Amino acid sequence: EADIYQTPRYLVIGTGKKITLECSQTMGHDKMYWYQQDPGMELHLIHYSYGVNSTEKGDLSSESTVSRIRTEHFPLTLESARPSHTSQYLCASSETGKDTRGADTQYFGPGTRLTVL
Amino acid sequence: KNQVEQSPQSLIILEGKNCTLQCNYTVSPFSNLRWYKQDTGRGPVSLTIMTFSENTKSNGRYTATLDADTKQSSLHITASQLSDSASYICVAVDRGSTLGRLYFGRGTQLTVWP
Repeated sequence: EADIYQTPRYLVIGTGKKITLECSQTMGHDKMYWYQQDPGMELHLIHYSYGVNSTEKGDLSSESTVSRIRTEHFPLTLESARPSHTSQYLCASSETGKDTRGADTQYFGPGTRLTVL
Repeated sequence: KNQVEQSPQSLIILEGKNCTLQCNYTVSPFSNLRWYKQDTGRGPVSLTIMTFSENTKSNGRYTATLDADTKQSSLHITASQLSDSASYICVAVDRGSTLGRLYFGRGTQLTVWP
């Protein structure tokens, strides 16, 4: 079981609210990722980080923002939530160079299921 | 465009039976292929990892195969158990970027009935 945690697990909020999804890992991994997953669909990378003070946008355009002030934390923020943001958000982490087969193994958190009314 | 296609979309089998899930990918340049298991309401968990030089990899009752020439992979589950009910996701990884980008399939939803 991976030591990566996400809170809250479920969140139901109204349109226009500001929300922050928390992600933390205790494995000391340098890379962290945020994915968005709709039911029956593939995971899409929305943000990633190579390390502290590094953040990059992923393949899927997202109105969310992220920060990486500490190695273990990678929170995701939505300034004004809308119904189109309803989805499952998965956080993951990996350690550079640990996997010699190319691309470090990513360990996933349990996810946050967000519903915006 | 890099893609990963999985079949079937869903599958129902009886406990104790075997099954095989299929994956076709077009990711290039190809680095390795992974199978993940995702329980409902949970994050994916890695089952197997295979580079282009590996043909098969086992993890308990799970056996993955890879044909890098035809860009096909399969996941065979032996003597299924109720706990095998989950979504099985095929992931192809490219080696064309420093990030080692992962390309996810939509998964096969497996249901094991008693």
